[in-house]
Amino acid sequence: GENVEQHPSTLSVQEGDSAVIKCTYSDSASNYFPWYKQELGKRPQLIIDIRSNVGEKKDQRIAVTLNKTAKHFSLHITETQPEDSAVYFCAASIGSGNTGKLIFGQGTTLQVKP
Amino acid sequence: EPEVTQTPSHQVTQMGQEVILRCVPISNHLYFYWYRQILGQKVEFLVSFYNNEISEKSEIFDDQFSVERPDGSNFTLKIRSTKLEDSAMYFCASSSGTGGRTTSFGQGTRLTVV
Repeated sequence: GENVEQHPSTLSVQEGDSAVIKCTYSDSASNYFPWYKQELGKRPQLIIDIRSNVGEKKDQRIAVTLNKTAKHFSLHITETQPEDSAVYFCAASIGSGNTGKLIFGQGTTLQVKP
Repeated sequence: EPEVTQTPSHQVTQMGQEVILRCVPISNHLYFYWYRQILGQKVEFLVSFYNNEISEKSEIFDDQFSVERPDGSNFTLKIRSTKLEDSAMYFCASSSGTGGRTTSFGQGTRLTVV
């Protein structure tokens, strides 16, 4: 069935260091991969997404890479800041022609130490 | 920036009672969703709704649950005969419907069944 695995479950880095979170997905028909940041008690906020026709996408300190052959995608945060501390969720979806439901990974709790 | 809005933010109900969670999706969006997040766990898909009918539902979404779009703006989730294990954060979400859909989440309703 559809599944997304996310690692690590927790990640602690020093301010200024980089953080990498990795996900794998099972459904080869998946073609849309968003990343959400969720602060305690708040809604998931989309921070970056990538579609299957692209291998890498960057937005300031955040980048996402996709390897469709291996069914892997990763989130890279550079120059981490304390305000990056949150839970990060990856997700996978089958885009147009389907319902667009998101299958989420288990989440990574990122702690950035000042 | 338009947002998905949900009411109430917190609902406490007695086991066996019925609850209705309300949502106003983003006005030009075509796809509507309900997701659930049990405390400390990942976000789980419940149901998607398009063109005034359910387009897909998960195993969680059994006969206890129903959704409705009673008018042009509201989207509701009804949970009948609530159980303790229904306690969770319920997120409404919507997307525009174009390929690789960007999904926006509401702020959530925390349901506590006592």
